[in-house]
Amino acid sequence: AQSVAQPEDQVNVAEGNPLTVKCTYSVSGNPYLFWYVQYPNRGLQFLLKYITGDNLVKGSYGFEAEFNKSQTSFHLKKPSALVSDSALYFCAVRDMRSNDYKLSFGAGTTVTVRA
Amino acid sequence: SAVISQKPSRDICQRGTSLTIQCQVDSQVTMMFWYRQQPGQSLTLIATANQGSEATYESGFVIDKFPISRPNLTFSTLTVSNMSPEDSSIYLCSVETSGRVKVFGPGTRLTVL
Repeated sequence: AQSVAQPEDQVNVAEGNPLTVKCTYSVSGNPYLFWYVQYPNRGLQFLLKYITGDNLVKGSYGFEAEFNKSQTSFHLKKPSALVSDSALYFCAVRDMRSNDYKLSFGAGTTVTVRA
Repeated sequence: SAVISQKPSRDICQRGTSLTIQCQVDSQVTMMFWYRQQPGQSLTLIATANQGSEATYESGFVIDKFPISRPNLTFSTLTVSNMSPEDSSIYLCSVETSGRVKVFGPGTRLTVL
């Protein structure tokens, strides 16, 4: 079984401040990890992924995430948030050993960046 | 990466009726995935559709309620049958590209009255 937990329903930060969105996962084997963003009335957009290699991965719009195997976490970060980063963020996991290609999503975290 | 289009983008339907959602991909793919996003909630996988075989449904979803067709490698349909207000959701089509990234369509926003 695989699952994702996003412990915060909402994150509020001031523009220019660092932004962190938390994610922890559970899989039987090794994980493939992903972050997606959903803007109001728009589809789901891919931000970044961890497949293998460096634990720190960089993605779109200045976002990055750090894979921590011992803590089973994959927190999303941005050093300086913008008002335009306000959106709904989803963490997702897939078991590397799985051959069914299923992706499990967290409940989502609403980010609000105030000017 | 793949580009996905869905039709309709939104619809308002009466309870008891059915709606068929179309998903078109600009490249050939083996697997297509259908997700549901209920209001204020996360995405839940409904089923996986492979060309030339029956769709595989997740727990809680059945073929009679959500029949799926997959006539070729670029197209799939999902029908929401005998709708009730609880079916009001965004329905998303998805494919997996090289690099193991899932790409999603823009979604179909369904409201059932």
